[in-house]
This record gives sequence, C-alpha cells and structure tokens, in this order.
Amino acid sequence: KAGVTQTPRYLIKTRGQQVTLSCSPISGHRSVSWYQQTPGQGLQFLFEYFSETQRNKGNFPGRFSGRQFSNSRSEMNVSTLELGDSALYLCASTFGDRGGEKLFFGSGTQLSVL
Amino acid sequence: QKEVEQNSGPLSVPEGAIASLNCTYSDRGSQSFFWYRQYSGKSPELIMFIYSNGDKEDGRFTAQLNKASQYVSLLIRDSQPSDSATYLCAVNANSGTYKYIFGTGTRLKVLA
Repeated sequence: KAGVTQTPRYLIKTRGQQVTLSCSPISGHRSVSWYQQTPGQGLQFLFEYFSETQRNKGNFPGRFSGRQFSNSRSEMNVSTLELGDSALYLCASTFGDRGGEKLFFGSGTQLSVL
Repeated sequence: QKEVEQNSGPLSVPEGAIASLNCTYSDRGSQSFFWYRQYSGKSPELIMFIYSNGDKEDGRFTAQLNKASQYVSLLIRDSQPSDSATYLCAVNANSGTYKYIFGTGTRLKVLA
C-alpha cells in the first residue's frame, strides 16, 4: 500500500512569490492535514480537510490556504512568501471518520525562501 | 493555549539501557496520545499510541498514560544506537477535532 506522497521534495523561492505544495493521501484516507515544522516551533497545525471541506484551521495568516479535491488529494498554497515561511511542510492523512486516529506523514516539502 | 511540553534534551543513554521520555499536556479533555520518532531530515514515523490510562507495550517500547496527572511517557528498553532520533509527543484534544498538538520533541542519543 503506497504511503502519503508529497511533491515537490524541495523548493527554493524568493520573497513575495507564491508556492503550491501537493499531497496525495494513503488510498482510502479522506482526511488530509498540513503541518509546518521549524526548528524553533516544532510541528504546528495549519489546517485539515475532509471530503473537500476544511474542518479545522490553525493560527496562521490568510496567506496560507489549502484545498482538497474529490479524490482526496490536497494542495496548500502560500502567497507573498516571507523569509519566515522557510520550513518543512508536512502532510498527514487518516481515514478521518472518527477522532483520535493515527496520523501518517508524507516525506515533506522543504521550502526555502531567499 | 493548549500545550504539549517535552524536555528538548539531548537525553543521552548508553546502549542497552532504558530511555525514558516524558510529555505533559495542558488540555484535560485530551483523549488520544501518540509518540512519533523523527530521524534527522526525515518525516515523523508513528511508533506508539495510547488511549487509556495505564501501560501499553509493543516490543521494546512502552507507553504510559496518566490522565489525572496529564502525563504521558515512552520507555525504550534495550536502547540501540539506531534509536537515536527526536521523539515527538502528540495529543489529540477531543475526539472529532482532527487537530493534533505536538510537543517540540526530545532528542535521544544512544551511545555505543
């Protein structure tokens, strides 16, 4: 069974640009969550999608957005990039039909903003 | 602000010893607890989960949960150099929220 797939693996952007990251969950999983990981802050929750609907949102500015498609694949977008957006962006999936499920993470996208 | 606290370490233990990793959480409504292992440059990998008070054992790993004290721990018996990694504690606040709060992790070093 294939795991969670994230693309691209690495990205280098400059301030002010925008970026789109992609995530394909494990087959059968309908919930996709996104996390930002930085050395100082650890993993911080961005948002969670289930059946194309955003179900939960973390405390990030509106520059961070996401969406989920009917096949459960998800994308997140960061507009007007700032230096502080440099981080590892992790996607995780679960079945999503009950709480407390195990999260399965993808390999992440390492974003560097210059 | 719901928080999950971990000692950042590094926690150094000799090979073959027991490594004890601790985590406290602030939200009494938390119901599900997870331990992830993260090697440098890799993504987190689930190693244990626990929902009920008490101990749960899986191979060399034991998770311990005490909801009254809002405390969850991970014991690694017969520690190996390959166990050297950062261990992340994660808490799911309420069933159905799908929002998980992570601690900043404890770095474990197992010395050969």
